[in-house]
Amino acid sequence: SQTIHQWPATLVQPVGSPLSLECTVEGTSNPNLYWYRQAAGRGLQLLFYSVGIGQISSEVPQNLSASRPQDRQFILSSKKLLLSDSGFYLCAWALPGYGYTFGSGTRLTVV
Amino acid sequence: QKEVEQDPGPLSVPEGAIVSLNCTYSNSAFQYFMWYRQYSRKGPELLMYTYSSGNKEDGRFTAQVDKSSKYISLFIRDSQPSDSATYLCAMSAGNTPLVFGKGTRLSVIA
Repeated sequence: SQTIHQWPATLVQPVGSPLSLECTVEGTSNPNLYWYRQAAGRGLQLLFYSVGIGQISSEVPQNLSASRPQDRQFILSSKKLLLSDSGFYLCAWALPGYGYTFGSGTRLTVV
Repeated sequence: QKEVEQDPGPLSVPEGAIVSLNCTYSNSAFQYFMWYRQYSRKGPELLMYTYSSGNKEDGRFTAQVDKSSKYISLFIRDSQPSDSATYLCAMSAGNTPLVFGKGTRLSVIA
């Protein structure tokens, strides 16, 4: 069966510090991978998605970046965090034509 | 006009009530429609998946899609306190990422 792992579950980081969130998927090959951010009252905002290794589409220009170094690994990064980067970050995977399966999320607080 | 509109609630109902949750959308290219349930501080989980128009039933849950009106609904029969969560609608044109509504917060009171 397929599983998705996302870590860490919670993170408190100072403004200006770097960020690295990792997501891995098991039990499937060549999935589409997604990073979403969920802020209170704003719903799910798509940040990045990838249809293959090294292929990244950015939906929102900001100080975040994403990479897909392996087929089932998706990494969200920032060189310098802003207060506005606080939120609940969710990774998801899907095969074309199917619903998304989400990870358990990372709650990031930038202080 | 936003692509997907969903009333954020909150919606509070007594246990056993029928719950109706709705979304409207503006993009006529959408053909895949989903409902997700999200418990507090958890990731969303897929509840219902519908392609094109029509109804789909799964236990106490029924999803309806009316493409002519650009309107989708989720009905929950015999609601339970365990149904208390945020419900998000989502839709896609096919080879494009899902677009989500903001979610409706539902509380079922015992």
